[in-house]
Amino acid sequence: KNQVEQSPQSLIILEGKNCTLQCNYTVSPFSNLRWYKQDTGRGPVSLTIMTFSENTKSNGRYTATLDADTKQSSLHITASQLSDSASYICVVSAGGTGANNLFFGTGTRLTVIP
Amino acid sequence: DAGITQSPRHKVTETGTPVTLRCHQTENHRYMYWYRQDPGHGLRLIHYSYGVKDTDKGEVSDGYSVSRSKTEDFLLTLESATSSQTSVYFCATLQGTYSYEQYFGPGTRLTVT
Repeated sequence: KNQVEQSPQSLIILEGKNCTLQCNYTVSPFSNLRWYKQDTGRGPVSLTIMTFSENTKSNGRYTATLDADTKQSSLHITASQLSDSASYICVVSAGGTGANNLFFGTGTRLTVIP
Repeated sequence: DAGITQSPRHKVTETGTPVTLRCHQTENHRYMYWYRQDPGHGLRLIHYSYGVKDTDKGEVSDGYSVSRSKTEDFLLTLESATSSQTSVYFCATLQGTYSYEQYFGPGTRLTVT
């Protein structure tokens, strides 16, 4: 069964600290993996998109890694800011162009406190 | 944000009434999607469209219908709303066949009482 699991479900960190969010998936075949940031009351916004040939991708203070062999990805946030408080969603595409081949994790809720 | 707007942004309705949610995009993206988001669940696909008048069902399509008469508009209709359809609904677009990045609208919070 194609699944995407994220951990932890929620996380509280102090401003300025680093954190790492995890995404494990069983989706096959694999096409690409995306990380989205969703602020409260807003739609998800793309942070990174990685294909199977990419194992690291950065977007400012956000760095995503991908291990296609172990089917794991992580999102590392450096020097956290209050504005990083949001839900982070991992999405895995099983390839092809159909809309039914996207599998969404339930997200990690990050709270950054001063 | 690919110029996606959703209307209304909030709606409260009674069980059994019909409800239509609208998604409007300004970027001429080919694909449009409707998702619902509920606590404990990832975003779940309701219906999607791959062109004008071309639509297909998603994972949780029961009780919903869609229409796309113009490239820029994708309508989601709940024919007879039920309390289980209380949710936040997101519209998304994808530029073309070989695009990866979906763009999401701001969402519509629907409460069925």
